[in-house]
Parts: sequence; C-alpha cells; structure tokens
Amino acid sequence: GAVVSQHPSWVICKSGTSVKIECRSLDFQATTMFWYRQFPKQSLMLMATSNEGSKATYEQGVEKDKFLINHASLTLSTLTVTSAHPEDSSFYICSAREGNKPYEQYFGPGTRLTVT
Amino acid sequence: AQKITQTQPGMFVQEKEAVTLDCTYDTSDPSYGLFWYKQPSSGEMIFLIYQGSYDQQNATEGRYSLNFQKARKSANLVISASQLGDSAMYFCAMGAGANNLFFGTGTRLTVIP
Repeated sequence: GAVVSQHPSWVICKSGTSVKIECRSLDFQATTMFWYRQFPKQSLMLMATSNEGSKATYEQGVEKDKFLINHASLTLSTLTVTSAHPEDSSFYICSAREGNKPYEQYFGPGTRLTVT
Repeated sequence: AQKITQTQPGMFVQEKEAVTLDCTYDTSDPSYGLFWYKQPSSGEMIFLIYQGSYDQQNATEGRYSLNFQKARKSANLVISASQLGDSAMYFCAMGAGANNLFFGTGTRLTVIP
C-alpha cells in the first residue's frame, strides 16, 4: 500500500514552453501533497505544500506564478512549470500524506526535467 | 526553525562490515519525527527507518538501526552487514510542526567489495 506515482518520469522541453507534472496517490487519499526540487548532488528542497481544495503554500523564494500547483482531488496534484528556462532543469519529487498522520509521507519516483 | 546536519559528504565501507552515518538536528518543537531515506541513482526516495521523539527505544528495521540520542540531538543510522546494493545517497530528515520534511545534505555511501 501507500504508493505514489509521478508522470512523466522524465521530460525534455524547449525554453519558453510549459510542462505539467502529475502526482497521484494510488491507494490512499492524500489530503496534503508536497513538492520538492532537487538539483544535482544537492538535497531535496521543499517548494510548496498543497492541500486538497485550497491554494498551495509556497516556500520563500519560489515563484507561485511560475510553478503552478493544483490539488483538485484527494488523489491528484499537478505542478506546472510555466515558461520554463534551462535553470528550471531539475529533479522534481512529490510526496503525499495520508489523512492526518503527521509524519508519514510517501514519495513519488520523481520527474527529471531538462529544459533546452 | 528546524535544521538537519549531515557532516559526512561521503563514506566508504567494506562489504559485510557495519557503517554509521551521522545526523544531528535542531528544533524547538517538543514533538518531532526523524527519518532516514536512501536514494539510489534512479532518484526514488526509499524510506528506511523512523524514530519518534517520544520513543523510548531506538528504532530498528532489519539491517538498519537508528542510534537516537535525544540529549545530544543526534539520530545516526547504523547499517549492519553492508551489501553492494547499499551504495547510494542517504538522507536524514525531520518532520515537526508544519509536517513537511526537512532534509540534510546527504551522505554518499560506497560499499567496497
């Protein structure tokens, strides 16, 4: 149980285009989903927290108009990178929390984005 | 504010030997959780072990054990009987307050045959 999927697993896009990444909880309802970004050889940094049915909370320094997050259902959250630039190339990982269990987060396999 | 520190950027261990990966943390929250994750080259985050701040005993999961010293604010991971497949990045993380996880900078473990 507690499986989180991400799609796509990798994507290459041209500078200026937009890319959507999906994060799904397959066998549980995720009231909260988290989006992390990981640059090469660095740690995971939280970008935003999304709660189903409400606006995402972004970490300081993360542009909410560039990284659009939608959490329309209890099993799906999407991250859209708008007007992508090469510096947005990174590994994006989502995690999902089931209900009110504070410390149990399940991670997706990640999406590797390359902007050319 | 929460802070996680991993001071070992890289570690080497001989196959079948034990290895300890260091992690110290800082938080003002009385209730928190400490986690260790393994990240192989494929990128997925694999949960290894969890320790709650109020747990009296150190957590163990198979070959993994967490040496929790609350007064020293340390949560070191001990891997016994290392295997070649243990070669990966290892991240210590803490969850408290807002419930998102704060990650350390990671330790790259290499198991030598």
